[in-house]
Amino acid sequence: EVQLVESGGGLVKPGGSLRLSCAASGFTFSDVWMTWVRQAPGKGLEWVGRIRRKIDGETREYITPVKDRFIISRDDSKKTLYLQMNGLKSEDTALYYCTTGVGPGYEIWGQGTMVTVSS
Amino acid sequence: DIVMTQSPDSLAVSLGERATINCKSSQSVLYSSNNKNCLNWYQQKPGQPPKLLIYWASTRESGVPDRFSGSGSGTDFTLTISSLQAEDVAFYYCQQCYTTPITFGQGTRLE
Repeated sequence: EVQLVESGGGLVKPGGSLRLSCAASGFTFSDVWMTWVRQAPGKGLEWVGRIRRKIDGETREYITPVKDRFIISRDDSKKTLYLQMNGLKSEDTALYYCTTGVGPGYEIWGQGTMVTVSS
Repeated sequence: DIVMTQSPDSLAVSLGERATINCKSSQSVLYSSNNKNCLNWYQQKPGQPPKLLIYWASTRESGVPDRFSGSGSGTDFTLTISSLQAEDVAFYYCQQCYTTPITFGQGTRLE
């Protein structure tokens, strides 16, 4: 079964750090670009960033609000995607999804992991 | 960044009737290399992740009912549900995949 399972969310104080994980199964993880999308409570979808495959250089791209604070990485041997989040702000409070697809759209989504930044 | 603007924000349609959601991008999302528009549509129900409905502006994802269709090119796109079913009540989002940062529309609530 094709599956993505996120973990690592929780409550963190402003300025704190958190690392999210996304475990993949049912497809060849190393063949796909992986993406993080977030959704603040009651709000729409926001693309956070992505990481390309190793053969594409594992290059990363981020939205401006997070690019100096978040780091996306991947471990193909563990079929796992990561999101290291530093310097967390209240506006980072959201449900974080990992997602991917072989075409132009995101066909595979996890259920998300909730990150709450609050004192 | 490409700004995606959906209209309306909310839409009420009777069962069996047609629903139309519009999406406008602030610049063209047409790839000249393959003459395809990098525009996707997603459906999201409460408590669930988004589900890909349409990609390349008009290609239905496998398993998506044929009452869902996408159209448009360049900067103006439409998602049409030909005959609304109860299970179609959800939020709908367009998304451009033409360039990073990838951006989504603000969403349309269909009820």
